[in-house]
Amino acid sequence: AIQMTQSPSSLSASVGDRVSITCRASQDIRNELGWYQQKLGKAPKLLIYAASNLQGGVPSRFSGSGSGTDFTLTISSLQPEDFATYYCLQDNNYPRTFGQGTKVEIK
Amino acid sequence: EVQLVESGGGLVQPGGSLRLSCIASGFTLNTYWMTWVRQAPGKGLEWVANIKGDGSKKTYVESVKGRFTISRDNAKNSLYLQMDTLRAEDTAVYYCARDNSYCNSPVCYDVFDIWGQGTMVTVSS
Repeated sequence: AIQMTQSPSSLSASVGDRVSITCRASQDIRNELGWYQQKLGKAPKLLIYAASNLQGGVPSRFSGSGSGTDFTLTISSLQPEDFATYYCLQDNNYPRTFGQGTKVEIK
Repeated sequence: EVQLVESGGGLVQPGGSLRLSCIASGFTLNTYWMTWVRQAPGKGLEWVANIKGDGSKKTYVESVKGRFTISRDNAKNSLYLQMDTLRAEDTAVYYCARDNSYCNSPVCYDVFDIWGQGTMVTVSS
């Protein structure tokens, strides 16, 4: 199975900060990667697909980049509603595998 | 409104069985793959299984192969997960999700674009 490793596991940031989360795949997955946001007690929500494509309705402060094995999710200016846990998910191969998650907390 | 609603979770003893259901509304179920994802308490997300729109293809994560069976009844707008020989490590919130394909010829990308609210399964004696 393809292993997805996110870093950091958690981070503290302030409203307005620029935040970046990385995800590394154990093998080349081209650009077959999505990013999901999960708030406490809620179902995950799709943010980005194909590494860099914004899902409809998602604010433009979210962006994604990368291909091959290294990917990044960036929030350009953190808003109060962005405090959540973020997961990457590869859709290159089965089984689908998620990263372990990155919790974004208020500083 | 496009919506997924899970049910069927509960407390079951190790070795027992449980059947989860997921009712879809607001879209034509038979045109989509569907997926189950689980989340153990305080842990991350784990993909469990998916099934093609017509039910002809199914894929499972290794840890549930031979114990879980995914199925669907498109006439009832329903997705199911039959869970047998349950173990303590199966304790989790189980989410159903629409497994959609966004295609930019010639490549298609699989996304989980609609999720249910989740149903809790607890395996304990």
